[in-house]
Order: sequence, then C-alpha cells, then structure tokens
Amino acid sequence: AQSVTQLGSHVSVSEGALVLLRCNYSSSVPPYLFWYVQYPNQGLQLLLKYTTGATLVKGINGFEAEFKKSETSFHLTKPSAHMSDAAEYFCAVRGSGNQFYFGTGTSLTVIP
Amino acid sequence: DVKVTQSSRYLVKRTGEKVFLECVQDMDHENMFWYRQDPGLGLRLIYFSYDVKMKEKGDIPEGYSVSREKKERFSLILESASTNQTSMYLCASSSLRDRLGEQYFGPGTRLTVT
Repeated sequence: AQSVTQLGSHVSVSEGALVLLRCNYSSSVPPYLFWYVQYPNQGLQLLLKYTTGATLVKGINGFEAEFKKSETSFHLTKPSAHMSDAAEYFCAVRGSGNQFYFGTGTSLTVIP
Repeated sequence: DVKVTQSSRYLVKRTGEKVFLECVQDMDHENMFWYRQDPGLGLRLIYFSYDVKMKEKGDIPEGYSVSREKKERFSLILESASTNQTSMYLCASSSLRDRLGEQYFGPGTRLTVT
C-alpha cells in the first residue's frame, strides 16, 4: 500500500529564507512521487515529479526535491522564499491503477 | 496545455437537494477522478473512472455517485445533499499513455450545503 505523510501542517518563513517542506512516503514498489501547489481558490498545479534516475529533481518556480530511498523521504526545498510562494503544498505518491495518494498538505506563509 | 474545467466555482444548495458537479477535460484522457478537499484532511478520492461507463469507488464513495457517458465528461452526483458534504470538490484527469500518470486538476467547486 502507498501513503504519504507531510510533517507540519503550517510552515512560516521570512522572505528570502530557505523553504523546507517535509514529505515521507510509504510504498511497496519503487515510487512515483509528486509535489503539487495550490494557490488560494485554485486547483492543484504540478511543481515537480520523480520517477527513476537522478534523485534531485528540479521543478518550476525555483523549487526542487530530493528523493532519499534510505529515509523514504521526498522533501521540497527552495533556497530563497518569495511572497508569491505563499500557498498550500501537497506531496503525492502514485499507487496502482493510476490512483494518487495525497498528504494532508502544508500551508506555507511567507513573512515580509 | 491540458485543460480541465468544472461547471461551477461556487455552489450553494439546500439539504436534500440533488446536486450535479460537472467536469470536462479536453486532452482525450482515459482516467478521470473526483476528490474532496477538507482542511487538515488533504485530498480524498471519491470515485474514479478509467473508461466511458466505467467507475471505481475511491476511499469515500458514500453519499455520492458518478456518471461517465462521454470520454471527456465526468459527473459527480450528490443524490441528497447533506451539510457534511460541504467541501471543495476537485476533478482531475490523466492519460494511460503517460507512464507517470500525472494528474491534471480543474479549478475546483466550493460547495456549501445549508
């Protein structure tokens, strides 16, 4: 069975500071992992995805995530937070039959 | 670009009403999904469909049904709306030709049942 756990439902960072959003996964097969972002009153938009190969994945808007099999983690980072990064972020793992299993989300606040 | 559209952004219905939420995608995707999103619970899968007239229950199908008469359209039906169905509803689609199965989302429908 597949699942993801996002640690921290709310994260606040100062503008210009490092963003770190945590995601741990559980999967009985090599996982396909995703990060999505949701801006207020909008649907989800793909930030980045991991399948196989390079463990450091770069996405849109300067975000990246590193797949660490030994830690079953796929944390999302951005070196310098911008006000426009304020949103809700969801980690997801693909299960069988193209089903996705989403974490409970992390709301990112950026303080000016 | 893939476009997934949902019939309403905001909807207010009364308890006991029959509610239809419509979702249309324009990329010939085989798979379509309905989720509900609630604070602290993330996205929970209600139903999905991998082909016309096919449907599979997700994690929380109780109180909902779906219809897929055409490949591009997937409808979510609340037979008798209740206040605990007040939520944000998100539709998504994906292609069987995509090995990753990336899902593309619509803008969501915020449903309030009073």
